Amino acid sequence: ETGVTQTPRHLVMGMTNKKSLKCEQHLGHNAMYWYKQSAKKPLELMFVYSLEERVENNSVPSRFSPECPNSSHLFLHLHTLQPEDSALYLCASSALGESRTFGPGTRLTVL
Amino acid sequence: GEDVEQSLFLSVREGDSSVINCTYTDSSSTYLYWYKQEPGAGLQLLTYIFSNMDMKQDQRLTVLLNKKDKHLSLRIADTQTGDSAIYFCAESLSGNTGKLIFGQGTTLQVKP
Repeated sequence: ETGVTQTPRHLVMGMTNKKSLKCEQHLGHNAMYWYKQSAKKPLELMFVYSLEERVENNSVPSRFSPECPNSSHLFLHLHTLQPEDSALYLCASSALGESRTFGPGTRLTVL
Repeated sequence: GEDVEQSLFLSVREGDSSVINCTYTDSSSTYLYWYKQEPGAGLQLLTYIFSNMDMKQDQRLTVLLNKKDKHLSLRIADTQTGDSAIYFCAESLSGNTGKLIFGQGTTLQVKP
């Protein structure tokens, strides 16, 4: 098990649902990231939080809403998603400027 | 622009060496990484190389960097069935958040 945990590991939701993905790290890192991994596409960086402040938002649709209440926790709130949003959502953390430790991911299916 | 490319699939026999290649476009890369992703799991950092190095060896893994050609390779000696996974190359651009650009990943299949 890595130092980054994600829950749930699998999620199936309808397009009208609201759900949240949770990420937790106990590595003392001060940066946290959300990535989207779709089939046959490169990993896409969605959001970066550094010292609990969002420093990067890569043109992600507003139906994805991140929240970083403290340096150990990161959420991704989901609402009115589309089927093309089905993917593996990976959380990662790092000390600033250092390599990332990834969580196991949440496999999301939008019906 | 920023782009990292890898071949999508490689098949080798157990005991052979595997070489996974990667090309990148941004010459301002500071670090280059190799990540491994096993089925149902997140990405695991395998190794990395600083952009002013041309080779790094770590047990069965050898990373070669040709900065002039912007070419990175990962060689796995004595490949085992447990090495079957997807391998991602990534480049880290300069800057405070160290933005990582990932390739699409190379699926390594190791046949017994």
